[in-house]
Amino acid sequence: DAGVIQSPRHEVTEMGQEVTLRCKPISGHNSLFWYRQTMMRGLELLIYFNNNVPIDDSGMPEDRFSAKMPNASFSTLKIQPSEPRDSAVYFCASKGASGGYNQPQHFGDGTRLSIL
Amino acid sequence: AQKITQTQPGMFVQEKEAVTLDCTYDTSDQSYGLFWYKQPSSGEMIFLIYQGSYDEQNATEGRYSLNFQKARKSANLVISASQLGDSAMYFCAMREGQDGNKLVFGAGTILRVKS
Repeated sequence: DAGVIQSPRHEVTEMGQEVTLRCKPISGHNSLFWYRQTMMRGLELLIYFNNNVPIDDSGMPEDRFSAKMPNASFSTLKIQPSEPRDSAVYFCASKGASGGYNQPQHFGDGTRLSIL
Repeated sequence: AQKITQTQPGMFVQEKEAVTLDCTYDTSDQSYGLFWYKQPSSGEMIFLIYQGSYDEQNATEGRYSLNFQKARKSANLVISASQLGDSAMYFCAMREGQDGNKLVFGAGTILRVKS
């Protein structure tokens, strides 16, 4: 079974450029999560969706960040304009509804983003 | 206030020995759950084990088990018969939120297995 697929795996871009990270959740999963991992702040939840609807975006750092989930099999996290402090590993995770609360979130391999 | 505390930044264990990674949590909810994830140097996050607050028995998954002490609010991960491949960062996480979907992660513990 295919896991969560993220692209690109690595992104290096200059400050001020728009960055788009992509995620394909596991088929049949109805919840999708975007996380950011840094040395200073650890793993932080940015936003999550249930059934393609954003439920909690309180972790989104500022208006430069936006996320969409146009359908059940695709989500994007966009940063515009990007800044060096956005450099981090960004993870996407998905979770199925069946089985209730004990279902784990399954993570993609992450996108390592470097803003110069 | 920090909800998940992992007090051990780094741990060493000899191959084939058991090791315990500490995790304490803070919540006023009656229903909650705790997860452990492994992050090897390659970077991916791998789910290991889950413990629900109402589970009467400690969770076990192969060489992984949870030492769940509800009154102390601790959910320590025990890895038995350590292998070199167990060297990784380990994260404890607690689910929260009305729909139980949000995970709050601890800072992690780096485990190094020595041969």
